[in-house]
Amino acid sequence: NAGVTQTPKFRILKIGQSMTLQCAQDMNHNYMYWYRQDPGMGLKLIYYSVGAGITDKGEVPNGYNVSRSTTEDFPLRLELAAPSQTSVYFCATETGAEAFFGQGTRLTVV
Amino acid sequence: AQTVTQSQPEMSVQEAETVTLSCTYDTSESNYYLFWYKQPPSRQMILVIRQEAYKQQNATENRFSVNFQKAAKSFSLKISDSQLGDTAMYFCALRRGAQKLVFGQGTRLTINP
Repeated sequence: NAGVTQTPKFRILKIGQSMTLQCAQDMNHNYMYWYRQDPGMGLKLIYYSVGAGITDKGEVPNGYNVSRSTTEDFPLRLELAAPSQTSVYFCATETGAEAFFGQGTRLTVV
Repeated sequence: AQTVTQSQPEMSVQEAETVTLSCTYDTSESNYYLFWYKQPPSRQMILVIRQEAYKQQNATENRFSVNFQKAAKSFSLKISDSQLGDTAMYFCALRRGAQKLVFGQGTRLTINP
């Protein structure tokens, strides 16, 4: 069972570069989330989606964009990478009874 | 204003002791879920325990139990007979009705041998 799959697991970006973090789920869950976790800190919500075609901002959306064209996929786009975006990024799905997390993407911007 | 607040950034206890982690939350909804998640050094997020707001009985999962005080909006986690493998970050989380899942700042728990 794949669950929630994030790619890549690690990435180093130069300032100003762009990239897309991929998130795919095979559980047919409507709710999907992107969180970032800075070292020693909690999870901050970047964007979330309650279903295909519907997305909304979380606490820290600046510098990011998302799309949700299908139930399965919820990619996170960084357009102009900045050192402040160095973090671990988690994608998650949720049923209301439990959240399921991907393994995380460690992103370093230098 | 923080929706979910964990006031203990770090805690440390000896193996086999009991430890309680605190969490307070804010919501005006009547229908919501509360969760405790564990994040060991592997970074994986693991569901520890879940409480539905409409249930008066406190949830229990083996050595883990909660003290759910709905009027006080408090949701503490008690770990009995703590083990070295319980060393992790613990996050309290709230899901209000059909809204998004939000997390507290986390408590770093260390179990000492």
